[in-house]
Amino acid sequence: DTGVSQDPRHKITKRGQNVTFRCDPISEHNRLYWYRQTLGQGPEFLTYFQNEAQLEKSRLLSDRFSAERPKGSFSTLEIQRTEQGDSAMYLCASSATTGRTEAFFGQGTRLTVV
Amino acid sequence: GDSVTQMEGPVTLSEEAFLTINCTYTATGYPSLFWYVQYPGEGLQLLLKATKADDKGSNKGFEATYRKETTSFHLEKGSVQVSDSAVYFCAQIPHDKVIFGPGTSLSVIP
Repeated sequence: DTGVSQDPRHKITKRGQNVTFRCDPISEHNRLYWYRQTLGQGPEFLTYFQNEAQLEKSRLLSDRFSAERPKGSFSTLEIQRTEQGDSAMYLCASSATTGRTEAFFGQGTRLTVV
Repeated sequence: GDSVTQMEGPVTLSEEAFLTINCTYTATGYPSLFWYVQYPGEGLQLLLKATKADDKGSNKGFEATYRKETTSFHLEKGSVQVSDSAVYFCAQIPHDKVIFGPGTSLSVIP
């Protein structure tokens, strides 16, 4: 296993379209996180899963956003009716559950809404 | 609430100069502390970590010591290289998710 994998790396979409991103975490990692990063800013937490359970969602995650992790392995993040303000880098990370262990990040998906 | 503050950038240094990037945190408990690095166009890479007071994390010539009394985790390197040019993020995990600082951009010039 070479790390956290995200697909696609880049996505350009028209305003109003739906987009879906995929994240494959490191094997045996039970926790999976989604973050959003805009230019010049630090990553902002969106949501996280422990196995298939979604344990926390940020207020940043409006009702146009939905995330799933149906079998406790890969996860998807869907944005419906995209807006220009959704343009950002979407980062996925995974970590083991024991204690406050480090999270390992993927390369991210850069979304541009035109 | 839990948060991380780090020095504003950008920071520009000459090659072989000494680097310090200050970081302080606010947490209700005893968090684990991290430095992540992001090279242009790439994701975040874990640089180093410390999980309890007085621990020193180190990697690739970078060091940071967990100072509970000052709630700080300053990043240092004795001699920077051009290849160290990147954005550096201080972060904590107080309970169950990573909380990042705003990042400090470092440019090292030959």
